[in-house]
Amino acid sequence: GDSVTQMEGPVTLSEEAFLTINCTYTATGYPSLFWYVQYPGEGLQLLLKATKADDKGSNKGFEATYRKETTSFHLEKGSVQVSDSAVYFCALIIQGAQKLVFGQGTRLTINP
Amino acid sequence: ETGVTQTPRHLVMGMTNKKSLKCEQHLGHNAMYWYKQSAKKPLELMFVYSLEERVENNSVPSRFSPECPNSSHLFLHLHTLQPEDSALYLCASSQDLAAARETQYFGPGTRLLVL
Repeated sequence: GDSVTQMEGPVTLSEEAFLTINCTYTATGYPSLFWYVQYPGEGLQLLLKATKADDKGSNKGFEATYRKETTSFHLEKGSVQVSDSAVYFCALIIQGAQKLVFGQGTRLTINP
Repeated sequence: ETGVTQTPRHLVMGMTNKKSLKCEQHLGHNAMYWYKQSAKKPLELMFVYSLEERVENNSVPSRFSPECPNSSHLFLHLHTLQPEDSALYLCASSQDLAAARETQYFGPGTRLLVL
């Protein structure tokens, strides 16, 4: 079946550090890939997405590149801020399907 | 008001109670979803509605009963819940049924505690 695996959290970094959150997937079809972010006390917000191989999604300084050859969609940011502290979810959806498949989430804490 | 709203934000109920969660979307979308977010587990899709018709029920126990009276409103009726049903219940909407390029917009969730 379709699944998403994220690196285990929690992840704790200092402000201005480089961030990578790994995400790999298995899919029976051709997926679109997403990163969602959940700030404390809030619902999920779409952070970025990519719909075909080699596409790069970017938003708020975050980037992720759709790598079909390694079935990965790792999230990166060059210099994190305290306000980036949240839970990050990698997700996929197969074309024509109705269901987003989520990873388990990675909690990120940024210390000043 | 914009986006997806959910009420109540917090709910504590006993196992014999009946309560309802409400979701409203102000985006003109045609598809709505209920998700369950439990601690240390991936988000679980519970129900999908498109144009007020249920199109998916992911083996959810009958103590959860969804209702979609129109394309802007979605309810989740709860009765005789178990403590393991305690979780964050998230509502989402999308323009149409989620396809490869579709984005789902989430509400803030209802934090449910079953005693």
